[in-house]
Amino acid sequence: QVQLQESGPGLVKPSGTLSLTCAVSGDSISSNFWWSWVRQAPGRGLEWIGEVYHSGSTNYNLSLESRITLSVDRSKNQFSLKLTSVTAADTAVYFCARGDMNTFYQMDVWGKGTTVTVSS
Amino acid sequence: DTQMTQSPSSLSASVGDRVTITCRTSQNIYNFLNWYQQKPGKAPKLLIYAASRLQSGVPSRFSGSGSGPDFTLTISSLQPEDFATYYCQQTYIVPRTFGPGTKVDIK
Repeated sequence: QVQLQESGPGLVKPSGTLSLTCAVSGDSISSNFWWSWVRQAPGRGLEWIGEVYHSGSTNYNLSLESRITLSVDRSKNQFSLKLTSVTAADTAVYFCARGDMNTFYQMDVWGKGTTVTVSS
Repeated sequence: DTQMTQSPSSLSASVGDRVTITCRTSQNIYNFLNWYQQKPGKAPKLLIYAASRLQSGVPSRFSGSGSGPDFTLTISSLQPEDFATYYCQQTYIVPRTFGPGTKVDIK
């Protein structure tokens, strides 16, 4: 059974860098999937952040592109998100998910989510 | 970006009701349309992908239909565990945008 688990600091200072990791178990990160990040601000809907392939190829939400880096660590079977110059608007629950490239890129497995608050 | 709209934004229904939610896209996404269910404090759960394919393990009372630009999620007989927020998402074009959500609550 494939499982994803997010980890990282729950509190980040304004103008700082948000860094999260998603550990993948039950599957290889080198499988044919996009490894994705989605966030949800308090009381709001879902926002697609971006995705990374095990080769290092990435797609980003253009609204975040100047601040975001996604990467893969195949040795640890995990992938990561870095978001720089954060503000209160980046306060959200961050989910990692798997996008199935074998079919219609649907996100069929999700982590439970981790809450990140941007505050001094 | 592909804009996604959902209607209604919320609805109240009773157990046993038939519920229909509509998603409209601003571009042709063929059938790269997925539906997710999200309960408070939980991660989204995939229900339907490719517009009409039922994800493994999802009850058959959920169904999807349509082709660009209009898609529909139908719950044939609403159950107590179905009270949640439902999101559509297109995965044909990057960014893989979500609709704003439809909240289904108890009448």
